[in-house]
Formats: sequence, structure tokens, C-alpha cells
Amino acid sequence: ETGVTQTPRHLVMGMTNKKSLKCEQHLGHNAMYWYKQSAKKPLELMFVYSLEERVENNSVPSRFSPECPNSSHLFLHLHTLQPEDSALYLCASSQAERGTDTQYFGPGTRLTVL
Amino acid sequence: AQSVTQPDIHITVSEGASLELRCNYSYGATPYLFWYVQSPGQGLQLLLKYFSGDTLVQGIKGFEAEFKRSQSSFNLRKPSVHWSDAAEYFCAVGAGNTGKLIFGQGTTLQVKP
Repeated sequence: ETGVTQTPRHLVMGMTNKKSLKCEQHLGHNAMYWYKQSAKKPLELMFVYSLEERVENNSVPSRFSPECPNSSHLFLHLHTLQPEDSALYLCASSQAERGTDTQYFGPGTRLTVL
Repeated sequence: AQSVTQPDIHITVSEGASLELRCNYSYGATPYLFWYVQSPGQGLQLLLKYFSGDTLVQGIKGFEAEFKRSQSSFNLRKPSVHWSDAAEYFCAVGAGNTGKLIFGQGTTLQVKP
């Protein structure tokens, strides 16, 4: 595998379910990101991890819980979601150095909440 | 505050015609600028980036962009569009040392045969 991979690619869940999204980067980067992309809205940055520490949490509801066990893996744990949480969730990684980093994106997980 | 504006939500061009997608940014310091492309149901692919130096940047798939500081713009161009270029295009600015990217709302490109 190369680049940034995400699993699953598609997920349908009920409002009472608990599920997790997984992201893995094979680029040797030290920063990872979760974005939410809803129809007709700009990309929304949800979480940033740098050197496995969360450095940014953009007022995301607590029903979204990130986890970064090491620099190659990032999870987004989901519980008691709402239908408006249906979206494409994108993971990205970068080598964060003085703001010159380029982010590389995975293919995304298409989430549908029923 | 940093921001990125893509004035055109939707653009339609004929195959073989030239293309220019507009991007304006607001940022206090020297910006790091990016263009990404997203095909339906896919992630974002980097087309090109500007960090410093030559203000005309070449990217993949025959795209180029020009940084104009006086106009706070970073417009994307292609001399001859192919049907496979139909996608959504995002301009982004790197927000300082945080590693964050601020994205524009995107421009959807439709290519007519």
C-alpha cells in the first residue's frame, strides 16, 4: 500500500450504533488530519494530530472521538451520530515543518447515518 | 483571519478550450498556496503548490497557476481541457506554522464534448 488509505470506504450506521473509521499513512509523515466534507459546504477541519498529540479540535461534537496511537494510524470513533453527520470523511497526512507541509489525502469514507 | 474565495461555484467549458479557475486569498504573511482536484467519490489530489520563488508554478496533468501578490490571487489555468478534467477543484492556503490548510468552497468544472 502506498499513500494514505482509509477503511471502510462506505459505512451505513444507525443513530445508536458505534463504529470507527480508520486511516493509515505510508508516507513517513508526522501529522494527520480528519476533515468532514458535506454537500455544498467547504471542507471542515475536525482534528489535527502532530507527533501523535492532538493540537487542534475545531469545536467538534463529542460524538466524534479521534485516536492517534502512532504516527501512521488515525481513527475516528463514532457513537450516537445524527443524520446531519452523513458526509464524506477525509483523512490527510503531512510532514509538518514550519508551515510548508503539503497534505496528502486518502480516498475518504462515505458515511450515511440513518 | 485567513480565508480563501473561489468566486465561481460552477464552470462549463468545451473540450479543447482553455480554462482559468479563480482563487483569491486573504493572509497576512507570505502564503503557501495549493490547488487540489477531487473526482466524484474520491479524495483530494494535489495538482500544484506555491511556496516561494517563481510565481508561475507547473503542476500535474498540464495545469499551471500564477501567484500574483498584488491581486492576492492564485488562479489555475490549463490551455486545453480534456473531458477527464471534469471534477471539483479546491484552492487552499497554508495557515502559518500550524500545518492547517484553509480551503475555498470549490469550483465544479463540467466539460462539454
